[in-house]
Amino acid sequence: DVKVTQSSRYLVKRTGEKVFLECVQDMDHENMFWYRQDPGLGLRLIYFSYDVKMKEKGDIPEGYSVSREKKERFSLILESASTNQTSMYLCASSYDTNQPQHFGDGTRLSIL
Amino acid sequence: EDKVVQSPLSLVVHEGDTVTLNCSYEVTNFRSLLWYKQEKKAPTFLFMLTSSGIEKKSGRLSSILDKKELSSILNITATQTGDSAIYLCAPYTGANSKLTFGKGITLSVRP
Repeated sequence: DVKVTQSSRYLVKRTGEKVFLECVQDMDHENMFWYRQDPGLGLRLIYFSYDVKMKEKGDIPEGYSVSREKKERFSLILESASTNQTSMYLCASSYDTNQPQHFGDGTRLSIL
Repeated sequence: EDKVVQSPLSLVVHEGDTVTLNCSYEVTNFRSLLWYKQEKKAPTFLFMLTSSGIEKKSGRLSSILDKKELSSILNITATQTGDSAIYLCAPYTGANSKLTFGKGITLSVRP
C-alpha cells in the first residue's frame, strides 16, 4: 500500500512566521502535489513536482514555495504566514502522470 | 478555465437506499476522470475512468463515464452508514495532467 505521510496533523503558527509543511512518500513515486482544502472551495492545487529539484505552479501558488531535494520528500513553505492561509493542507503522490494520486492525512494549519 | 460541477451538493438518505452522484466537467485536453471518497482525513481513491460507457464496479459502488455528455455518475446501492462521506470527482486535464477537483458531494446515511 502507498503511504504518504505528512509531518503534522495540527499546527498553529503566528502571522509573519515562516512555516514548513513536510510530506514523505514511500513508493518511489515520480510526482508529488500540494493542495489546500477549504469549505465551499474544494481542493485547489498549490504546487506540484514531476522530478527532483523540479517544481511547477498550480492554481494558487501566491504566498507559497516548495522544495524537492529528494524524490521521496516534498516540502511546502509559507514564507510569511498570513491568516488567509489558515486551511487544511493535503499532500499527494502518483507513480506517473494520469495515474491515481494517493493522499496523506492532511495538516490542519491555523495562522493566528 | 477548467470547470467541474458536482451535484447535488449534499444529500441525506436512509440505510438501504440507492444514491446517484453526478459530476459534469468542461475542461481542456481531458484524459481521464477519478472519483475519491473522503471521510475525516485523506481522500481515498475509488475509480479511474478513461473510456466512455464502460462501467467500473467495486462492491456496492459503480461508476461510468459519458464523454459525449462530459459527465460521470457514481452509484451506491444498499447504502450503509459507513458510506457517509464527501465524494469528490476530478478530471485529469491539460498538458501536465493535473487533477481539477469538484467541490464535492456530502452524503449522509442515516440508520
